[in-house]
Amino acid sequence: DQQVKQNSPSLSVQEGRISILNCDYTNSMFDYFLWYKKYPAEGPTFLISISSIKDKNEDGRFTVFLNKSAKHLSLHIVPSQPGDSAVYFCAAVGGTSYGKLTFGQGTILTVHP
Amino acid sequence: NAGVTQTPKFQVLKTGQSMTLQCAQDMNHEYMSWYRQDPGMGLRLIHYSVGAGITDQGEVPNGYNVSRSTTEDFPLRLLSAAPSQTSVYFCASSRTPTGGKGQPQHFGDGTRLSIL
Repeated sequence: DQQVKQNSPSLSVQEGRISILNCDYTNSMFDYFLWYKKYPAEGPTFLISISSIKDKNEDGRFTVFLNKSAKHLSLHIVPSQPGDSAVYFCAAVGGTSYGKLTFGQGTILTVHP
Repeated sequence: NAGVTQTPKFQVLKTGQSMTLQCAQDMNHEYMSWYRQDPGMGLRLIHYSVGAGITDQGEVPNGYNVSRSTTEDFPLRLLSAAPSQTSVYFCASSRTPTGGKGQPQHFGDGTRLSIL
């Protein structure tokens, strides 16, 4: 049973526009969420996180929104740049599972010049 | 700083062979973990360690063994390789377990393993 789901395998956007990547979770014990970016032949790189006590966290061009009632989070990238083209994973932890990340399947983002 | 270093980067094994994937970090992180990445399934936790001498199982531990004799090193052993273990393996570390006030995990660049 996939506790963290990224239902869009891929997303294509134009440079300068907004990219919105979505993630849904089912485990109500999750209370901390992260986004990682991964380039080919490299390991995932931490991008941004959010605690369940917040509904928004910003870091430069990246903003993560959390809707606890819907068990949904999203990553907004504004403006999108060609260098943002990568695979994006959302991950969650919580309850007694601190440290043990549960990942979504990933979304391939392509930003066209 | 090298961060998290994984060796080898690529390996081909025959079914039944054993091997050890190496992972070392130079950040003095207490928490280390191993994940495997398979197409369409994201990353799944194999084993983790909260400090030297302490290890525990993750979501998919069968067929793998770990030990943690030092803070820096966390090797992953395949006891008898099977084709189902063909995957990309990532090692990660953090100063404290991720979550709450814990730190995000830093990942190595992975070991791509093929088992024939």
